[in-house]
Amino acid sequence: DAGVIQSPRHEVTEMGQEVTLRCKPISGHDYLFWYRQTMMRGLELLIYFNNNVPIDDSGMPEDRFSAKMPNASFSTLKIQPSEPRDSAVYFCASSLGGINSPLHFGNGTRLTVT
Amino acid sequence: GDSVTQMEGPVTLSEEAFLTINCTYTATGYPSLFWYVQYPGEGLQLLLKATKADDKGSNKGFEATYRKETTSFHLEKGSVQVSDSAVYFCALRDYGGSQGNLIFGKGTKLSVKP
Repeated sequence: DAGVIQSPRHEVTEMGQEVTLRCKPISGHDYLFWYRQTMMRGLELLIYFNNNVPIDDSGMPEDRFSAKMPNASFSTLKIQPSEPRDSAVYFCASSLGGINSPLHFGNGTRLTVT
Repeated sequence: GDSVTQMEGPVTLSEEAFLTINCTYTATGYPSLFWYVQYPGEGLQLLLKATKADDKGSNKGFEATYRKETTSFHLEKGSVQVSDSAVYFCALRDYGGSQGNLIFGKGTKLSVKP
């Protein structure tokens, strides 16, 4: 089991540029979550998918953010255009269904927008 | 909706001291409860879980008991080590108010001094 894989590990970009974060969930997991973590706001759920379908995107901060899950083994979170306040660590997590199932987190992507 | 409240940090202890981190929850259904740990620069890792009342989750010397009557899931360890320095998150998963999402507390930072 390779765990949840996120790329890139670090991303530095200039304000106004497009940023794409990638996630490969654990094989067989049917839930996928995107979180953002900052010192000021802590852990925030952005969006989550069940069987590749977005279930709740109420945490997506604004239209600049979009997420897709074209298949069971891949998801992207895109920010266009990026702003300095988007600087954070973005985590992807996956899980099986059922409330007894824990989420398994990737190591995160540290995004810095200058 | 569902929510998790955990004690504010930071918590600073000497090595071999006893640790308690309080966690209480509000849920519309019958949730499963989790503790996660985040070491510096890493993602969140599952520490332990409990899925029904009076269950005790345990791992690496940490324990927490699911107390339905007090809606609590306090984390304890009898003798902390410097290597336990991390941020600890209490969380619940419930198909009621949270629609299967994992609801996190704000996290408690623990620093253990030699």
